[in-house]
Amino acid sequence: DQQVKQNSPSLSVQEGRISILNCDYTNSMFDYFLWYKKYPAEGPTFLISISSIKDKNEDGRFTVFLNKSAKHLSLHIVPSQPGDSAVYFCAAKKSGGSNYKLTFGKGTLLTVNP
Amino acid sequence: KAGVTQTPRYLIKTRGQQVTLSCSPISGHRSVSWYQQTPGQGLQFLFEYFSETQRNKGNFPGRFSGRQFSNSRSEMNVSTLELGDSALYLCASRDLAAPYNEQFFGPGTRLTVL
Repeated sequence: DQQVKQNSPSLSVQEGRISILNCDYTNSMFDYFLWYKKYPAEGPTFLISISSIKDKNEDGRFTVFLNKSAKHLSLHIVPSQPGDSAVYFCAAKKSGGSNYKLTFGKGTLLTVNP
Repeated sequence: KAGVTQTPRYLIKTRGQQVTLSCSPISGHRSVSWYQQTPGQGLQFLFEYFSETQRNKGNFPGRFSGRQFSNSRSEMNVSTLELGDSALYLCASRDLAAPYNEQFFGPGTRLTVL
């Protein structure tokens, strides 16, 4: 049972345009969502996060939107740069206690073409 | 601060052997989690340790075990290796000081089982 889904295995955009990466989740107990970027042969790098009490969080070129009623979140990258080419993982954490277990989607490979 | 470090970076073992992987968290981070990344399953949570105790566990067989030392360094052990254990094993640390805090990942150990 995949609780966090990234339905697009890959996405290709032109440099300077907007990249939109999508993520859906099924578990209403998730209260914190994160996006990580991963280059080959490296560990995931934290990008941006959002708490379930918010619907938007912005950090520079990166904005994450959360639609709780639809159980959907998206990562917007504007403008996209070739260095953004990587695999992007959406992750979610359940509420409650000190347990911290991230449930990841399977990732979306973003390619930004010069 | 130095990032999360993992040793070794690459490892080749044969079926039936056992392996120990090591992780040093970011200084001051008391929580260490382990994840397995495979092409088919993506990133899957193995377990989390803090204060030298396992706090949370994923759905992996008992062949996968871990421990944490008083200096927060952690080791993960896999016994009786199977071909399907070939994966990238990622360690992540976090600061327990805040309830919402991201995990920082190491570069991973690439395990190949022949």
